[in-house]
Amino acid sequence: NAGVTQTPKFRVLKTGQSMTLLCAQDMNHEYMYWYRQDPGMGLRLIHYSVGEGTTAKGEVPDGYNVSRLKKQNFLLGLESAAPSQTSVYFCASSYRSLAGPSGANVLTFGAGSRLTVL
Amino acid sequence: SQQGEEDPQALSIQEGENATMNCSYKTSINNLQWYRQNSGRGLVHLILIRSNEREKHSGRLRVTLDTSKKSSSLLITASRAADTASYFCATDRGDYKLSFGAGTTVTVRA
Repeated sequence: NAGVTQTPKFRVLKTGQSMTLLCAQDMNHEYMYWYRQDPGMGLRLIHYSVGEGTTAKGEVPDGYNVSRLKKQNFLLGLESAAPSQTSVYFCASSYRSLAGPSGANVLTFGAGSRLTVL
Repeated sequence: SQQGEEDPQALSIQEGENATMNCSYKTSINNLQWYRQNSGRGLVHLILIRSNEREKHSGRLRVTLDTSKKSSSLLITASRAADTASYFCATDRGDYKLSFGAGTTVTVRA
């Protein structure tokens, strides 16, 4: 049972280069998320998706794009990398246990992708 | 902005002691969750407490929730070296997203 798999695990980019982070989940979860983690800042939501073909902005979406063409995959793209995007990126997936206020999203996280932009 | 804020930022205890960390949040929630992150790894879900619950237990974990004060606490009893990790609270407002705090780093000394 792989859970959530992120590739690549490490990447070094130069300012202005582009790249895509891939997240794949095998749990048939509806919801998928991309977070970034910076020292002292906790996790901040970049973009998320509530189903195949849908995406929405999170707390810090600028400089990133996402796509969810297949239910099991969620891609995070950086079109023109900046040093401020140096971070550890986490993908997560979930399903809501019940609809409405009684429901709960419990996230399953990937191992993270460490990105350095020089 | 972060919905949850943990306190303290860091905690160092002796093996066998209890560790307590707190989380405060700003808006009404459906539930509050705690996650653990070992160094260099992803977050792992520990326990969930719903807004109509006041206390919940899971093994050596005890979570309390006070919705009137918008705060929660996580107690780890009889700590072990393997409990060394960062602990995050996350709030679920029922809008598909979880908001995480900055975390509490716990070091358990042998």
